[in-house]
Amino acid sequence: EAGVAQSPRYKIIEKRQSVAFWCNPISGHATLYWYQQILGQGPKLLIQFQNNGVVDDSQLPKDRFSAERLKGVDSTLKIQPAKLEDSAVYLCASSLALAGGERAYEQYFGPGTRLTVT
Amino acid sequence: SQQGEEDPQALSIQEGENATMNCSYKTSINNLQWYRQNSGRGLVHLILIRSNEREKHSGRLRVTLDTSKKSSSLLITASRAADTASYFCATPSSITQGGSEKLVFGKGTKLTVNP
Repeated sequence: EAGVAQSPRYKIIEKRQSVAFWCNPISGHATLYWYQQILGQGPKLLIQFQNNGVVDDSQLPKDRFSAERLKGVDSTLKIQPAKLEDSAVYLCASSLALAGGERAYEQYFGPGTRLTVT
Repeated sequence: SQQGEEDPQALSIQEGENATMNCSYKTSINNLQWYRQNSGRGLVHLILIRSNEREKHSGRLRVTLDTSKKSSSLLITASRAADTASYFCATPSSITQGGSEKLVFGKGTKLTVNP
């Protein structure tokens, strides 16, 4: 099966500029996640969608970050305006999220977008 | 919020040796997952162990879970250069009956396997 697709793979912007990332999850996966991974740390969840509804966005800096998942499939994550501390890899993941069974909990990750803010 | 913490932060071994890394967490969980991240394949799920399981095997991987000590270990036997990667444990931040979970990742153990 095709994996989680993300684009772009790399992006360099200046602070105060805007940037958008795109994610296409595995077909049939109801849950989609956006993570931020700063160098040397583990991924940190930014937002979690179940179909096209937000399940958790408690760690999303809502003054500058926004995300949407149209029609419960693709998703975009936007940063406006960017700050230096936003330099990180942004990972998108998806999971089946069916009740019961271990496969519901396994998350499949895309290759990530490496963002550098100068 | 709950977080898994891996130990050691870095580990360097020779090919053929075994590698053991540990994870500690803070609150009750219903499962714990291990993931691997390398530059070639990104972040990949390795294994999930449920709270009612004490040990689980998958190929050269062995995972243990001690819920009384709130700790887990990942053992990679007969390591290969291709095992060079960062290894993360991930725990759900809340117990769920099923469906999606919010995972919290530790900072990871960076494993280097020298040929």
